[in-house]
Amino acid sequence: AQTVTQSQPEMSVQEAETVTLSCTYDTSENNYYLFWYKQPPSRQMILVIRQEAYKQQNATENRFSVNFQKAAKSFSLKISDSQLGDTAMYFCAFMNIGNQFYFGTGTSLTVIP
Amino acid sequence: EAQVTQNPRYLITVTGKKLTVTCSQNMNHEYMSWYRQDPGLGLRQIYYSMNVEVTDKGDVPEGYKVSRKEKRNFPLILESPSPNQTSLYFCASRYYRADQNYGYTFGSGTRLTVV
Repeated sequence: AQTVTQSQPEMSVQEAETVTLSCTYDTSENNYYLFWYKQPPSRQMILVIRQEAYKQQNATENRFSVNFQKAAKSFSLKISDSQLGDTAMYFCAFMNIGNQFYFGTGTSLTVIP
Repeated sequence: EAQVTQNPRYLITVTGKKLTVTCSQNMNHEYMSWYRQDPGLGLRQIYYSMNVEVTDKGDVPEGYKVSRKEKRNFPLILESPSPNQTSLYFCASRYYRADQNYGYTFGSGTRLTVV
């Protein structure tokens, strides 16, 4: 079975600084998809970024980028120039070709003014 | 606007009183799913549906029912709610095919309290 591990339950970062959230996963498959979701206090789940395993290039979306290390099964999220609105719970997620979807337990990020 | 509409947003009920949480999507997604979110446990899948009249159990199906009579709707039914079903519930939908897959679109959540 696939598992997704987020080893940092809570993190904090100063406004305008950079922070990296870690995520590791376990799979024996070669093709799959990885996601980061953001859940602000409004509790809405928002897709932040998506990575296809067969693409070597790391995905980026404005201030959000990932460091995808396929061999290490690692998928970290880097947030640059952190803003107060980035305060949220962040979930890493994995989807295999068989359409099974797995979430990590989340990292609570607080941006400090 | 492409969205998943979930109602109600908040619900307080008593043990044993049947309730339904509605979910509707307007993106023609084949795949729909219900999750519950509890502190420290992340999101756990309750039930999912790959298309009309096709549903299956997720990781925590006990005490829940679903139906998928139409592609757009996927209600969650609690026949006899108990306090351990107090949780935050999310409905989500996505395309079935992996190569079309941009992840889930989520509803806005239902905070359920069973007393």
